[in-house]
Amino acid sequence: DQQVKQNSPSLSVQEGRISILNCDYTNSMFDYFLWYKKYPAEGPTFLISISSIKDKNEDGRFTVFLNKSAKHLSLHIVPSQPGDSAVYFCAAAPSGTYKYIFGTGTRLKVLA
Amino acid sequence: DAGVIQSPRHEVTEMGQEVTLRCKPISGHDYLFWYRQTMMRGLELLIYFNNNVPIDDSGMPEDRFSAKMPNASFSTLKIQPSEPRDSAVYFCASSWGYEQYFGPGTRLTVT
Repeated sequence: DQQVKQNSPSLSVQEGRISILNCDYTNSMFDYFLWYKKYPAEGPTFLISISSIKDKNEDGRFTVFLNKSAKHLSLHIVPSQPGDSAVYFCAAAPSGTYKYIFGTGTRLKVLA
Repeated sequence: DAGVIQSPRHEVTEMGQEVTLRCKPISGHDYLFWYRQTMMRGLELLIYFNNNVPIDDSGMPEDRFSAKMPNASFSTLKIQPSEPRDSAVYFCASSWGYEQYFGPGTRLTVT
């Protein structure tokens, strides 16, 4: 049973446009969410996080939105750049633990 | 800081052999995590430590897997005996809060 789902395995976007990566979860006990970026042959790199008490968190070009009622979060990248091409993972953890469950990832390709 | 350091970066071994993966977390981080990434199962948490004490090992697949953290600057993940299905990339990560910092991973191939 996959508790964190990223239903789009890949996404292509033109440089300068918005990239929207989606993530759904099933466990209502999840209360902290992270997004990671991963390049080949490297470990995941932390991008941005959000706790369940918020519905939006912004850091530069990256914004994460959380819709608790829909159990859905999304990562917006504006404007997209070729260097953003990577695999993006969302992860979620229940309250009071660091037991993160990761999604399967979405491969983003930003076209120059 | 050098970040999380893992060794070796690549390991090729034969079925039945013992494998030991090593991790040095970021200084000052009090949480350490071991993950495994495979095509079939994605990135899955195996075990995590807080202040050198194992907190949750429910992700450890079998008794063949064991992890230790003898001090704040070193951890090992051991597989004995190894099997071909253990082939994966193993990541170590550390944190002092919710945001984890990953090492570059060890690619393990068991033939």
